[in-house]
Amino acid sequence: AQSVAQPEDQVNVAEGNPLTVKCTYSVSGNPYLFWYVQYPNRGLQFLLKYITGDNLVKGSYGFEAEFNKSQTSFHLKKPSALVSDSALYFCAVRDRGGYQKVTFGTGTKLQVIP
Amino acid sequence: GAVVSQHPSRVICKSGTSVKIECRSLDFQATTMFWYRQFPKQSLMLMATSNEGSKATYEQGVEKDKFLINHASLTLSTLTVTSAHPEDSSFYICSARRESSYNEQFFGPGTRLTVL
Repeated sequence: AQSVAQPEDQVNVAEGNPLTVKCTYSVSGNPYLFWYVQYPNRGLQFLLKYITGDNLVKGSYGFEAEFNKSQTSFHLKKPSALVSDSALYFCAVRDRGGYQKVTFGTGTKLQVIP
Repeated sequence: GAVVSQHPSRVICKSGTSVKIECRSLDFQATTMFWYRQFPKQSLMLMATSNEGSKATYEQGVEKDKFLINHASLTLSTLTVTSAHPEDSSFYICSARRESSYNEQFFGPGTRLTVL
């Protein structure tokens, strides 16, 4: 069975500083990996995905993530945090076969401090 | 492109009544849609996989008679919460799978259900 771990419930970072939100995964075979952001009482907004190719994936709003197969990690990063980045972030992994179900991590709340 | 809508965005109902939530793919066809449930400050939990023209596949622990899913067309899936109770209050999110080389899923904006 596939799984995703986000070890940090909350990450606090000062505005302008780089941010990292951690994610590790477990899946048989090659994964599809995703990051989503959720604002209060809103649905999910897609940030970026890894399907194949370059390990460094660039996404929306200046975010990027690095796929590391040996460490089974897919950490989300941004060089300079904005207060508006404060939200709940979900890492997710998806089956490549079958119904291609998506399994979400528990989420990490990012708080950017002005 | 690839927009998924949900209706209603918020619903408040009395205990014992049934509530229907719609999920529509607006600009693509989706043979497969997914229904998730999210409790406050928690992750999304997959409830069921909705397949056009056939029965839904429910995750372990989800009551199929409680959460009725109908995928009547290639652009519409509905989730009906029957005989709702306060513990059914939650945020329900759907996603629709667009057929492509990697079958990307697109998420709806969610429906906040409050059962009084």
